[in-house]
Amino acid sequence: QITLKESGPTLVKPTETLTLTCTLSGFSLSTRGVGVGWVRQPPGKALEWLGVIYWDDDKRYRSSLKSRLTITKDTSKNQVVVTMTNMDPVDTATYFCAHVLSGSQGKFDFWGQGTLVTVSS
Amino acid sequence: ELVLTQSPATLSLSPGARATLSCRASQSVSNYFAWYQQKPGQAPRLLIYDASKRATDIPARFSGSGSGTDFTLTISSLEPEDFAVYYCHHGQTFGQGTRVEIK
Repeated sequence: QITLKESGPTLVKPTETLTLTCTLSGFSLSTRGVGVGWVRQPPGKALEWLGVIYWDDDKRYRSSLKSRLTITKDTSKNQVVVTMTNMDPVDTATYFCAHVLSGSQGKFDFWGQGTLVTVSS
Repeated sequence: ELVLTQSPATLSLSPGARATLSCRASQSVSNYFAWYQQKPGQAPRLLIYDASKRATDIPARFSGSGSGTDFTLTISSLEPEDFAVYYCHHGQTFGQGTRVEIK
């Protein structure tokens, strides 16, 4: 059974770097075709696609955040890590990681519960 | 940059009614198009992918259609658990959501 779980700080200060970890269970990012993505949702607002990393280390990032975002994988720990630099209060959101449905061109079929990150001094 | 515009923003319907949700793309897109349902405090749930394929364990009352720039999610007969927010998704873009509320 596929599960994902996000972990990381709940509060970061403006200008700091956010690092979130997504721990995977029931599948491996070393398996051909597998991908994991990140999506965020500001309180009361819509979903926002951030990026995806695939089994072969192919990565795609949201254009407007490309300079601030990095997604990496650690297959030995079965984890995916996202870092976002220069955090701002507008980055306050619930951050989700999600499994990419195989062959779906990036659609997410299993999601973590999400973790709320607040950016405030 | 692709923009997905969902309409209406809010749909007020009674249980048992038919719900029709629309998503219009700012440019023609492939049929790698998805719909999600999200309830308060929960992660989204994939309902439809490839425009018309139901995801695993999704009831048959949910159906998707469309191509090019216009896509539709239809719920044939609303159940109490279907009142939620629905998002369309293509590539790096989500729509702004349609809230389906109880009338």
